[in-house]
Amino acid sequence: DAGVTQSPTHLIKTRGQQVTLRCSPKSGHDTVSWYQQALGQGPQFIFQYYEEEERQRGNFPDRFSGHQFPNYSSELNVNALLLGDSALYLCASSRQGEDRGYTFGSGTRLTVV
Amino acid sequence: QKEVEQDPGPLSVPEGAIVSLNCTYSNSAFQYFMWYRQYSRKGPELLMYTYSSGNKEDGRFTAQVDKSSKYISLFIRDSQPSDSATYLCAMKENAGNMLTFGGGTRLMVKP
Repeated sequence: DAGVTQSPTHLIKTRGQQVTLRCSPKSGHDTVSWYQQALGQGPQFIFQYYEEEERQRGNFPDRFSGHQFPNYSSELNVNALLLGDSALYLCASSRQGEDRGYTFGSGTRLTVV
Repeated sequence: QKEVEQDPGPLSVPEGAIVSLNCTYSNSAFQYFMWYRQYSRKGPELLMYTYSSGNKEDGRFTAQVDKSSKYISLFIRDSQPSDSATYLCAMKENAGNMLTFGGGTRLMVKP
C-alpha cells in the first residue's frame, strides 16, 4: 500500500522563478494538506484541499497557490520565488471524517538561489 | 510567543534510558494531540494520536495530555539508537483542519 508520494525530491530554482510541486495521497485518502518546514523548525500549514476546493489556508501570501485533481492528487505552486522560500515542502493526506492523524510524504526540498 | 513551545534539545541519553519529551501550548481550543517522529531528510511519521486529556500507550511509547496545564508529554521506554530522530508535537482544534506544530526536539540515543 503506497503511502504519500511527492515529486520531485529535490529542486533548485532561481529567485523570481515559479515552481510546481506534486503530491499523490495515500490510497483511500481524499484530503491533501501542504506544509512548509524551514531548517530546524516545525512544519507550517500552507493550505488544505478537499473535493478540489481550498478548505483552509494558513498565513502564506497569494504567491502560494494549489490545486486538487479529481483523483485526489494535488499540486503546490509558488510564484516569484524568494530566497526565504527555501525549505522542505511536505504533503500530508487524510480521509475526511476519520480523525486518525495525517500521513506525510518525504517532502520536496526546494532551494532558491 | 509561539502557540506551541517545544525544547529544541538536543537531548542525549544512553541506550535503555526512559526519555521524556514535552510541549506546552497556549490555545485552549486544541483538542487533538499528536506526536510525530522525523528522521533526517524524511517526512514526519505519526507515532501517537490522542483526543482531549488522558494517557495512551502503544508499545514502548506513552502519550499524556493535561489540558488543564496545557502540557503534553511523550515517554519512550527502553530507548534504542534507532529512536534517534527529531520528535514533533502537533495539535489541532476540534473544528479545524490545520495542524500546529512545535519546533521539534532532537533526540540522540547512544549505544
